[in-house]
Amino acid sequence: GENVEQHPSTLSVQEGDSAVIKCTYSDSASNYFPWYKQELGKRPQLIIDIRSNVGEKKDQRIAVTLNKTAKHFSLHITETQPEDSAVYFCAAKRRAGGTSYGKLTFGQGTILTVHP
Amino acid sequence: DTGVSQDPRHKITKRGQNVTFRCDPISEHNRLYWYRQTLGQGPEFLTYFQNEAQLEKSRLLSDRFSAERPKGSFSTLEIQRTEQGDSAMYLCASSELTGLSSTDTQYFGPGTRLTVL
Repeated sequence: GENVEQHPSTLSVQEGDSAVIKCTYSDSASNYFPWYKQELGKRPQLIIDIRSNVGEKKDQRIAVTLNKTAKHFSLHITETQPEDSAVYFCAAKRRAGGTSYGKLTFGQGTILTVHP
Repeated sequence: DTGVSQDPRHKITKRGQNVTFRCDPISEHNRLYWYRQTLGQGPEFLTYFQNEAQLEKSRLLSDRFSAERPKGSFSTLEIQRTEQGDSAMYLCASSELTGLSSTDTQYFGPGTRLTVL
């Protein structure tokens, strides 16, 4: 089955700095890679996602890059703010269609702390 | 509120008791997922439905766990003879699968926190 590794487990930055979180996956059939942000005691919320037919996607201060050959993808947050502090999870999924193509396999999470 | 909802939000039970959780997906979402999350870990897949059909169950899912989605709308997750190791956050998610090219984006509910004493 799929295995997703996420690094680092904790990341501490100063406000205004950039933060980068990296994930690797094992299943070459995976082609959808979302990132979720989870604040303490709250539900995971999708912040950005990427499909395998593109190499990079950007949404304001957040970007995700994907290297299918190396099987890794990264989350980049620029101009970090204290409200970015949360746990971030990467995930991978096979494409839609077929009975086994629904579940997300998550990384272990990264605790991001942005100091004012 | 048009998001995924779960009930109850918290459940404390004694070991050996049965518990049942409910999930109401986003309206018209045809897929519904159950995940379990323990402290410091990412959500772990348990099972999922497309409409009323249960398409996949995790091999890690004990026989004490059962899930249903009888009319293709809300779903229930039952745990029989609870054990202390069942203590976790149980998350539900839903998505709309519109075709083979669909990203099938999953939206999560707030979760039910189970504590087994």
